[in-house]
Amino acid sequence: AQSVTQPDIHITVSEGASLELRCNYSYGATPYLFWYVQSPGQGLQLLLKYFSGDTLVQGIKGFEAEFKRSQSSFNLRKPSVHWSDAAEYFCAVAPRYDKIIFGKGTRLHILP
Amino acid sequence: ETGVTQTPRHLVMGMTNKKSLKCEQHLGHNAMYWYKQSAKKPLELMFVYSLEERVENNSVPSRFSPECPNSSHLFLHLHTLQPEDSALYLCASSQERSEFDTQYFGPGTRLTVL
Repeated sequence: AQSVTQPDIHITVSEGASLELRCNYSYGATPYLFWYVQSPGQGLQLLLKYFSGDTLVQGIKGFEAEFKRSQSSFNLRKPSVHWSDAAEYFCAVAPRYDKIIFGKGTRLHILP
Repeated sequence: ETGVTQTPRHLVMGMTNKKSLKCEQHLGHNAMYWYKQSAKKPLELMFVYSLEERVENNSVPSRFSPECPNSSHLFLHLHTLQPEDSALYLCASSQERSEFDTQYFGPGTRLTVL
C-alpha cells in the first residue's frame, strides 16, 4: 500500500537558518507530490506540487522542493527561515487515479 | 485568503445530539471534500463530491452523513457521535476532481464530543 513518511515530528531552527523537511513515499510509480502548510487555527495551504519535468520545484513563500526518484523523496527546503514560517508542514502524495494521502506532518519551531 | 469558509469554527456536542457542519466555497470549483484531522494521525479523507455527486466515501461510519445541495455548499450532518470523533474537520475544494488539482482548504471546525 502506498504511504507517506515524514520522519521528523518536530524541527527547531533559528531564524535566518536554512531548513530542510524530509518526506519519503512508498509507491510503485511516481505519484503527484505536494507540500502543504498549516498555520495555527488555519486550514492547509499549498506551497508547491510536482507532477513531472524539472525535479526542483519552486513554491510560494520562498520554498522549494526536490524530487529524487532514486530515493523516493520529496524534501522541502528554504534557504533562510522567518519567524512567520513557524507552522506544521504536510507532505502528500496522490497516486494516479487514487486518493491523496497525507503524511503525519512536521511541526516547525523558529528560535529568535 | 482561502475562499473556503466553514461554520461553526468550534462545536461542542453530546453523544446524543444532532448537529451539522457547513462549508461554502466562493471559488467556482466543482469538487468538494471533507477531511478529518486528529491529533497524531494523518489527515484522513472522508468524502468527495464532484458536481454535487458523491464520488468517494472512505469507509466512514454512518453517523457522519454528507450533503452537497449545490457546487458551492457542503454539509456534514452529525448524529450519535463518539468521543473519538473529536477532531478538526476540514473542508476543501478544487476546480475538478483530479489528483493533481490544488485543493483549497477552509479553516476547519474544531469538534469536541463529550
